[in-house]
Amino acid sequence: NAGVTQTPKFRVLKTGQSMTLLCAQDMNHEYMYWYRQDPGMGLRLIHYSVGEGTTAKGEVPDGYNVSRLKKQNFLLGLESAAPSQTSVYFCASRRQGWTFFGQGTRLTVV
Amino acid sequence: AQSVAQPEDQVNVAEGNPLTVKCTYSVSGNPYLFWYVQYPNRGLQFLLKYITGDNLVKGSYGFEAEFNKSQTSFHLKKPSALVSDSALYFCAVRDPDRDDKIIFGKGTRLHILP
Repeated sequence: NAGVTQTPKFRVLKTGQSMTLLCAQDMNHEYMYWYRQDPGMGLRLIHYSVGEGTTAKGEVPDGYNVSRLKKQNFLLGLESAAPSQTSVYFCASRRQGWTFFGQGTRLTVV
Repeated sequence: AQSVAQPEDQVNVAEGNPLTVKCTYSVSGNPYLFWYVQYPNRGLQFLLKYITGDNLVKGSYGFEAEFNKSQTSFHLKKPSALVSDSALYFCAVRDPDRDDKIIFGKGTRLHILP
C-alpha cells in the first residue's frame, strides 16, 4: 500500500517550459488536492477535485491546470513555467476526515 | 471563506517545559480542525483532528489540542517538550457545510532548546 505517490521528486525547468506533476493514490479516495509550500506562506491550495472528472480552483490557481481523468490520479500542469512557480508542491488525498499527503515535489524554475 | 491564523512564526521552549502553538480559525459553519507536523525535507504528518465531540483531542507523540468555539481557537499543546519535537507545525481547517477545501495556516516553527 503506497498511499500517495508524487512523481517526480525533483525537477529543474527553464522559464517557459511546460511540465506535468503526477499524484497517484491507491486508497480509492474521492478527494484530491494540490498545494504549494513557500517559506513564510505555509501551504496554499492550488486546485482540488471532489471526484473523477471534476476539478475546482483553490486559493492560487493562476498559471496551473489540473485534470482528474482517473480516480486514482490527479495531474498538475504548468503550461509555461515562471520563476514565481519555484516551490515545493504537495499532493493530498482525503476520505471522510482523513487526509494523506505525498512526500512533495521540489520544482525550481530558472 | 474559511481561514486559519497562526500568530507566531516561531516558538522557543526549553526541553521538559510545556509547549503551546496557537491557532485561530474563521469559518461560517462548524469547523473540522487539524494539526500537522513537518520535519525537514519531509512531507506532512497528521497529528490530530477535531470533528465533533470532546473539545480536548489527543493525538500522536503526546500532543493534544483544545477546541474553543467561543474563542475560535484550536491551540496545540504538550505537557513536556522533547528536542525531537522541533519541527514546523501547521493548523488547518475545513468548513464541511460550505465546500471541500482544506485551508492551512502559515505554519509555526517550534524550537525545543536542550
